[in-house]
Amino acid sequence: SQQGEEDPQALSIQEGENATMNCSYKTSINNLQWYRQNSGRGLVHLILIRSNEREKHSGRLRVTLDTSKKSSSLLITASRAADTASYFCATDESNYQLIWGAGTKLIIKP
Amino acid sequence: DVKVTQSSRYLVKRTGEKVFLECVQDMDHENMFWYRQDPGLGLRLIYFSYDVKMKEKGDIPEGYSVSREKKERFSLILESASTNQTSMYLCASQKASAYEQYFGPGTRLTVT
Repeated sequence: SQQGEEDPQALSIQEGENATMNCSYKTSINNLQWYRQNSGRGLVHLILIRSNEREKHSGRLRVTLDTSKKSSSLLITASRAADTASYFCATDESNYQLIWGAGTKLIIKP
Repeated sequence: DVKVTQSSRYLVKRTGEKVFLECVQDMDHENMFWYRQDPGLGLRLIYFSYDVKMKEKGDIPEGYSVSREKKERFSLILESASTNQTSMYLCASQKASAYEQYFGPGTRLTVT
């Protein structure tokens, strides 16, 4: 089942600018995770935010969570060429299952 | 660092062939997963396993089976490959007490 929906589907910005991606979901969650996927490869976990948290930082990443709106945003500050990737949000349906969005494709132009 | 390896990066098979995709993790994780990834659809769970010899169906198990004889190894089997199984297949592992999943590099399977 598909729960998360990322927005926008694709985003192209200049190196050095900030990139913001959004994720909406449908049911109550315990936590929400963001993953990055470089072209044609596996996914790498970036950050997890729990349902009782509103904001979390990790390096150049900032994640917010609004449980009343069932939405999250991922902000990447001072973007670099290496940030070019697809970004996915995932919410927990159960202890075992994550529900994934379709992803946002981010392109950083030099 | 957790390492999850998959037996092949690219695989080309003919319709009707039996296909084995293997996944190995080296961190003694209890949970392992097989996903397929198609453009615009995100990741869809095929099967997962929370212990040796234990398996649970995900969202799209039809046409697939799995095997977990050892804790570190989780195999995905396509009994009779069909063209609609052309996809990227991703394996992941997870510690039972955690939420984060660790992924292998993926196998791009083409069925002709």
